[in-house]
Amino acid sequence: NAGVTQTPKFRVLKTGQSMTLLCAQDMNHEYMYWYRQDPGMGLRLIHYSVGEGTTAKGEVPDGYNVSRLKKQNFLLGLESAAPSQTSVYFCASSRNRGTSADTQYFGPGTRLTVL
Amino acid sequence: GQQVMQIPQYQHVQEGEDFTTYCNSSTTLSNIQWYKQRPGGHPVFLIQLVKSGEVKKQKRLTFQFGEAKKNSSLHITATQTTDVGTYFCAGNSGGSNYKLTFGKGTLLTVNP
Repeated sequence: NAGVTQTPKFRVLKTGQSMTLLCAQDMNHEYMYWYRQDPGMGLRLIHYSVGEGTTAKGEVPDGYNVSRLKKQNFLLGLESAAPSQTSVYFCASSRNRGTSADTQYFGPGTRLTVL
Repeated sequence: GQQVMQIPQYQHVQEGEDFTTYCNSSTTLSNIQWYKQRPGGHPVFLIQLVKSGEVKKQKRLTFQFGEAKKNSSLHITATQTTDVGTYFCAGNSGGSNYKLTFGKGTLLTVNP
């Protein structure tokens, strides 16, 4: 099992460009998440999904869109990149345990720089 | 919304010294999880605490969940250079909320 994979690993964009980050998991997990990590800010939730075809906003959703067309994939889109979106992006997935959160498994991250 | 505060932000110790990081939630938690992130790596799950007053040990690591289920701590005895990294607590309020709210983490560095 590969677990959670993310592509690309690194990317440099110019302001205004668009891109899509891909997350894939092979653990048949229901829930998937996108976080951003900035120095001193910890992990902040951007968007999440509780199942195929569903998405929801997290703590910092502005400037991002997501889609979950297939259970194993969760895409994060930046329509018009801004320097403030320079960050490390982590995808995570977890099982549906019912009434409380289960362990989250993280991908290796994507380091994005917006010039 | 739910907030999870974690202190200290940084801790530098000599190898062999003990280390503790503390986590406090603004609301009562259903469970709390701890993760470790090595420099340049991704967060990796360490443990989950569910019960009030729960204490769990993993070798030199001791995790506690407060009686009121609003605070938690991670204590490392006799640190080693392999303990270097950022330790995050993450709280979950349960119910229909499956999300975790992460603390900002404590960066531990160890001087050999």
